[in-house]
Amino acid sequence: ETGVTQSPTHLIKTRGQQVTLRCSSQSGHNTVSWYQQALGQGPQFIFQYYREEENGRGNFPPRFSGLQFPNYSSELNVNALELDDSALYLCASSLPRAPTETQYFGPGTRLLVL
Amino acid sequence: AQSVTQLGSHVSVSEGALVLLRCNYSSSVPPYLFWYVQYPNQGLQLLLKYTSAATLVKGINGFEAEFKKSETSFHLTKPSAHMSDAAEYFCAVTTGQGSSNTGKLIFGQGTTLQVKP
Repeated sequence: ETGVTQSPTHLIKTRGQQVTLRCSSQSGHNTVSWYQQALGQGPQFIFQYYREEENGRGNFPPRFSGLQFPNYSSELNVNALELDDSALYLCASSLPRAPTETQYFGPGTRLLVL
Repeated sequence: AQSVTQLGSHVSVSEGALVLLRCNYSSSVPPYLFWYVQYPNQGLQLLLKYTSAATLVKGINGFEAEFKKSETSFHLTKPSAHMSDAAEYFCAVTTGQGSSNTGKLIFGQGTTLQVKP
């Protein structure tokens, strides 16, 4: 059974650029959540996708957007990058949405914005 | 709104000593609580979770936590620390209220556990 994978592992961008991060969910999981973890902080919920539709969003501006594909993999897109977007971006997959379901995290993508 | 407070950003123990990592939550509805561990340059791994069954929850690697509603706490313990336990630990809360519930996790700031030989 393959776990949650994310690509790329590291990325360097400059202010104003756009970035796409990718996530492959664990086999059988159709719910994907994205989190942003700034240095020294706990992860913060960005949004969740369930069956290709956004199913809840945290306190992040619209320049953070996402997609989920029929195979349940997902993308996180960030437009007009700002310095404060530098962080570890974590993807987590889980079984059909239920608050008690364990979210399984990938290793993350570390984004540095210069 | 839900929130989590982890008391102590850094905890240092000797190998073989008791590990106690503190977590207090705030929630107006019955919470579900989780402890995750993060090793350097890795994602988060679930240690244990409370889902309104038994209040004493046993997890992996010898960790356990007790849900105390009266104290709004969910502290993580391990009787004897190993060097391999050195990592960042996160407490998180979510709720099951409402059809719009997404199971989004709200994390605390984290506690770094240092284990001294």
